[in-house]
Amino acid sequence: EVQLVESGPEVKKPGESLKISCKGSANSFNGYWIAWVRQMPGKGLEWMGTIYPGDSDTRYSPSFQGQVTISADKSITTAYLHWSSLKASDSAIYYCARQRAIGGGGRFYFYTLDVWGQGTTVTVSS
Amino acid sequence: QSALTQPASVSGSPGQSITISCTGTSSDVGNYDYVSWYQQHPGKVPKLMIYDVSTRPSGVSNRFSGSKSGNTASLTISGLQAEDEATYYCSAYTSTSTLVVFGGGTKLTVL
Repeated sequence: EVQLVESGPEVKKPGESLKISCKGSANSFNGYWIAWVRQMPGKGLEWMGTIYPGDSDTRYSPSFQGQVTISADKSITTAYLHWSSLKASDSAIYYCARQRAIGGGGRFYFYTLDVWGQGTTVTVSS
Repeated sequence: QSALTQPASVSGSPGQSITISCTGTSSDVGNYDYVSWYQQHPGKVPKLMIYDVSTRPSGVSNRFSGSKSGNTASLTISGLQAEDEATYYCSAYTSTSTLVVFGGGTKLTVL
């Protein structure tokens, strides 16, 4: 079965670090990009960035560059989203999703998100 | 402000058809056929309904269809059913450094 399973809900204080995970089945992970999408309370979807676990090629939306770190360990088919210092405004649901892409030679067209994780709720509050 | 513009809400009666628009620019919708539509019920995970402007993934009802004209993509739902009540998001590839953009979402109410 094609699926992505995310880590559980987190409650953190401002300034703390956090890494959440997204584990994929082999057929949802190998040969694909994995993206992260933020949904703040009552708001829409925001694309944060994506990683190709095969070689760790990572692309970020400018809005999230420097704010988070996306990484992956292909040996355990797991992608990660990491914050070094959380803010209250980071409170949101974070989804990982299989990012379909075509291209090569460094130029890729990211055309859809076809398999989604169940979402991880992150709450940052003092 | 989202990069793609969608109406905040639309409504229709059971059995009717509705269309949701998604307006972008020549950097995204206008020059690339990489437009997707997602359905999200309250408290649930987004679900892919349409990709590449008009392609339905396996298992998605043929009541859902997509199209594009110029800088505007559209999602049409025919034969509205109560279960279609949800928020719909469009997204597109963009040639800008953002790479992928979403619309702000359209809440569909089935009257």
